[in-house]
Amino acid sequence: DAKTTQPNSMESNEEEPVHLPCNHSTISGTDYIHWYRQLPSQGPEYVIHGLTSNVNNRMASLAIAEDRKSSTLILHRATLRDAAVYYCILRDVGDDKIIFGKGTRLHILP
Amino acid sequence: GAVVSQHPSWVICKSGTSVKIECRSLDFQATTMFWYRQFPKQSLMLMATSNEGSKATYEQGVEKDKFLINHASLTLSTLTVTSAHPEDSSFYICSANPGTVNGQPQHFGDGTRLSIL
Repeated sequence: DAKTTQPNSMESNEEEPVHLPCNHSTISGTDYIHWYRQLPSQGPEYVIHGLTSNVNNRMASLAIAEDRKSSTLILHRATLRDAAVYYCILRDVGDDKIIFGKGTRLHILP
Repeated sequence: GAVVSQHPSWVICKSGTSVKIECRSLDFQATTMFWYRQFPKQSLMLMATSNEGSKATYEQGVEKDKFLINHASLTLSTLTVTSAHPEDSSFYICSANPGTVNGQPQHFGDGTRLSIL
């Protein structure tokens, strides 16, 4: 699996946007970029995924660099409930399994 | 949406006991399910891929005789921790894909916290 690099932790104020970066310089053409998050004492939760174009859903937006070597997960207005570990994962189109890296622990300040 | 259910949520038992954890896909069929374990403050580690109707595929370093996996139907996989010891205490999580891959997300259970005394 191609690797991703994320900051260990980030802080943000409540009700402000949050930009979570992810570097994946060795991404292949068939790798999808997935984001999951894990709240305390729960299993991971799917957030968003994309291949080449930017993506939006009700939870977040995913901005993918033109060369696809990096991406940014955007939470438009953080709440205390968004405090979690966020995982950026590359997943080949033919690959079933997910390998987790260390992720970014996001702290939200009230 | 697709839901994966794990049971039980918590298990506390004595050393030497075997513990079974169930993972069910509630509204979809899953030919493949996955089992992870997670120690405090660490990331999820993939233990094995559970294949319906055939043997599980274990990741390197995971003892297949210690962690027995059975995937007898398209909606149920079980993980049995045999002769559990305190070092087996961990958070066990399963996941499943509701459809063909092509970038579709996986769905995770809420985990089972296993504590061996």
